[in-house]
Amino acid sequence: QKEVEQDPGPLSVPEGAIVSLNCTYSNSAFQYFMWYRQYSRKGPELLMYTYSSGNKEDGRFTAQVDKSSKYISLFIRDSQPSDSATYLCAIRNTGTASKLTFGTGTRLQVTL
Amino acid sequence: GAGVSQSPSNKVTEKGKDVELRCDPISGHTALYWYRQSLGQGLEFLIYFQGNSAPDKSGLPSDRFSAERTGGSVSTLTIQRTQQEDSAVYLCASSLNEGGGYTFGSGTRLTVV
Repeated sequence: QKEVEQDPGPLSVPEGAIVSLNCTYSNSAFQYFMWYRQYSRKGPELLMYTYSSGNKEDGRFTAQVDKSSKYISLFIRDSQPSDSATYLCAIRNTGTASKLTFGTGTRLQVTL
Repeated sequence: GAGVSQSPSNKVTEKGKDVELRCDPISGHTALYWYRQSLGQGLEFLIYFQGNSAPDKSGLPSDRFSAERTGGSVSTLTIQRTQQEDSAVYLCASSLNEGGGYTFGSGTRLTVV
């Protein structure tokens, strides 16, 4: 079993839709949770960073963490064609180094 | 510089040749990471530097892979005797300190033919 599981998609939604992206993880030592967005032929770009259970909102993006279920989500409201990209969850524990463990990424396509 | 710079952006090499990939992190970022991204595999951790030392090199897939960092800045990832399975995008990231959010470069796309 992978430490972080993420549905690869692709996920296709119409413009304006609410998008829900999810990851599950297996190691309860993971304490820090991030979402990255990656456009084609570019490096991943940090979108959201949280370390506690609950919700964190930034504009159209909301990150949700449920540590009891080992489940994290990213919601995108009023999705735009410019949101079309691959979204990667990334998780790390509080131990040494700061190696991030990534999900495989979900490819999102927002259509006009 | 303003961001993490990687060179070359693309590299095609023949099987058995050695390659060097370069990463120039954001100035002042003490932590530097190398990841490999293959199609459908997500990002695979290779090595982490804090300053010039590498406290975690557990992700290097074989002894053909090595990396160094000099002056707490530029890092080079070297792959010796390249194999076709080494074909991937090699991503470098840096962060201000251990535990911070990473800033990634655009990667080096390596193709071994």
